[in-house]
Amino acid sequence: DIQMTQSPASLSASLGETVTIECRASEDIYNGLAWYQQKPGKSPQLLIYNANSLHTGVPSRFSGSGSGTQYSLKINSLQSEDVASYFCQQYYDYPFTFGSGTKLEIK
Amino acid sequence: QVTLKESGPGILQPSQTLSLTCSFSGFSLSTSGICVSWIRQPSGKGLEWLATICWEDSKGYNPSLKNRLTISKDTSNNQAFLKITSVDTADTAIYYCARIPGLDRYGGPLYFDYWGQGVMVTVSS
Repeated sequence: DIQMTQSPASLSASLGETVTIECRASEDIYNGLAWYQQKPGKSPQLLIYNANSLHTGVPSRFSGSGSGTQYSLKINSLQSEDVASYFCQQYYDYPFTFGSGTKLEIK
Repeated sequence: QVTLKESGPGILQPSQTLSLTCSFSGFSLSTSGICVSWIRQPSGKGLEWLATICWEDSKGYNPSLKNRLTISKDTSNNQAFLKITSVDTADTAIYYCARIPGLDRYGGPLYFDYWGQGVMVTVSS
């Protein structure tokens, strides 16, 4: 199985700041990576697919980058509605696997 | 508009079989490239992919539970199903179904673009 190591586990930032979440795969996943946002009590929602493509309707302050085994999600100009947990997921190979998540709070 | 909704028994006892239904609209599981998956999340914890079924009836299972899982579909009624046998307390979780919108250039399923609201399943004696 491909292991996804996500960091940090939690993050506290001020409104308007830029934050970055990292995800490392245990082997090359050839950009087969998605990022999801999960607000408290809600189901996950797709933000980014193919490592750097923005899903329909997602604000442009979210962006993804990376290649090989290293990927990151950046949120520019942090808004109060961005309080959530964020998960990375590889779909390069079965079994699909997720990172352990990053809980983002506003300072 | 793509929507998915899960349904299940709510609570069941250890050793029983869990049967889940995903009812969806806005797409068809007979369309080339479309797949539906099941993912679960224990309370306060991370996400675990369980199984995927695609339009041509190919299936993928998480090896950690493979012998206990059966995924199936009813294309005519826009539903997908998951059965988990011999449940125990570790199977207590929110269960989600999600759509996969297509395949990559190598024929592998892609990401989950739409998710249902989830259904809570509790295994308790």
